[in-house]
Amino acid sequence: AQSVTQPDIHITVSEGASLELRCNYSYGATPYLFWYVQSPGQGLQLLLKYFSGDTLVQGIKGFEAEFKRSQSSFNLRKPSVHWSDAAEYFCAVGAEGNTPLVFGKGTRLSVIA
Amino acid sequence: DAGVTQSPTHLIKTRGQQVTLRCSPKSGHDTVSWYQQALGQGPQFIFQYYEEEERQRGNFPDRFSGHQFPNYSSELNVNALLLGDSALYLCASSEGTREQYFGPGTRLTVT
Repeated sequence: AQSVTQPDIHITVSEGASLELRCNYSYGATPYLFWYVQSPGQGLQLLLKYFSGDTLVQGIKGFEAEFKRSQSSFNLRKPSVHWSDAAEYFCAVGAEGNTPLVFGKGTRLSVIA
Repeated sequence: DAGVTQSPTHLIKTRGQQVTLRCSPKSGHDTVSWYQQALGQGPQFIFQYYEEEERQRGNFPDRFSGHQFPNYSSELNVNALLLGDSALYLCASSEGTREQYFGPGTRLTVT
């Protein structure tokens, strides 16, 4: 069965520090991978996506993610966190053909001064 | 270019009632998917509409039904509401096999 695991429920980082959010997936087909961000009471905004090709993908707001097939991982990184990055982050997996997305339970990011 | 829009923003219903949520996809998108996000959880897929037909369905009971109109907008209907149906309902649109873009959601509270 398809599944996404985000091991960290809540992470707190200092403003200006680096960030890595973990995501592991289980998917039978070639995965399409996504990271979305959700601010309180809001919908989901797409940060970045991986369909194929270069395993290091760049997204909006200075985020990047690396696809590692051998580890079934797609971790999200940012070199320097800003206070406005505080939000809930969701990793999702799908496949070609508009298959439904399967989401992880999310990681809540808090940013302290 | 407007993104995905949903209405209403919030609503409160009583157990046993019926509710209809609405979604307008992003311009140029022909596929609409609906997701339910319970508090503290990731979104869960309800169903997807393309060419006015339900193409795929998640593990939700028949109380959840939908419709897609010729202009690609969509409705989600839930009958016989239960307390457990309280959630944020998200609509996502896409074009072909590309990425899905989400609307702001409708917060449904069942009392």
